[in-house]
Amino acid sequence: GNSVTQMEGPVTLSEEAFLTINCTYTATGYPSLFWYVQYPGEGLQLLLKATKADDKGSNKGFEATYRKETTSFHLEKGSVQVSDSAVYFCALSGGYNKLIFGAGTRLAVHP
Amino acid sequence: GAGVSQSPRYKVAKRGQDVALRCDPISGHVSLFWYQQALGQGPEFLTYFQNEAQLDKSGLPSDRFFAERPEGSVSTLKIQRTQQEDSAVYLCASSHRTGWDGYTFGSGTRLTVV
Repeated sequence: GNSVTQMEGPVTLSEEAFLTINCTYTATGYPSLFWYVQYPGEGLQLLLKATKADDKGSNKGFEATYRKETTSFHLEKGSVQVSDSAVYFCALSGGYNKLIFGAGTRLAVHP
Repeated sequence: GAGVSQSPRYKVAKRGQDVALRCDPISGHVSLFWYQQALGQGPEFLTYFQNEAQLDKSGLPSDRFFAERPEGSVSTLKIQRTQQEDSAVYLCASSHRTGWDGYTFGSGTRLTVV
């Protein structure tokens, strides 16, 4: 069945460091791929998405490219800020638009 | 409203008690989803409504879980005879159409069964 695997956290970085959070998936067909972010005490928010192979989603300095050949959708940001501290979830779309989530990766950014 | 509203925000239930969790989606949103998020895990799909029709309930973990959306707007997730393993955050999400657009999540109801 469809599934998503994310790198385990926590990921701890200094401000302005480069961020990569790995995400790989297993799916039948051609799902859409998403990154959601959950800030402390808040609900899940859509960060970015890509709907087909080689698409690049981007938002707030974050980006991820839909790589069909490696079944990956790694999240990157060139220079993280303290305000980026949150839990990041990779997800893919299944039947009836249900989302299948990874376990989440906690990011902590220190000044 | 401006976002997806869920109530109550927190619920403590004694084991064996029935609970009802409410979701007010964004006005006019056709699709409504319920997810269960255990501590330290990603959300897991429970059920999906398109308007008032429950099109997918494959994620409901047992027949103690029941969801409804009788008029195609507000939805209620009911859990009968709660067990400790039901402790989780229950998330509701809605979308204005059925396309692959991502959707808007509520802040969730944190259920603790003691």
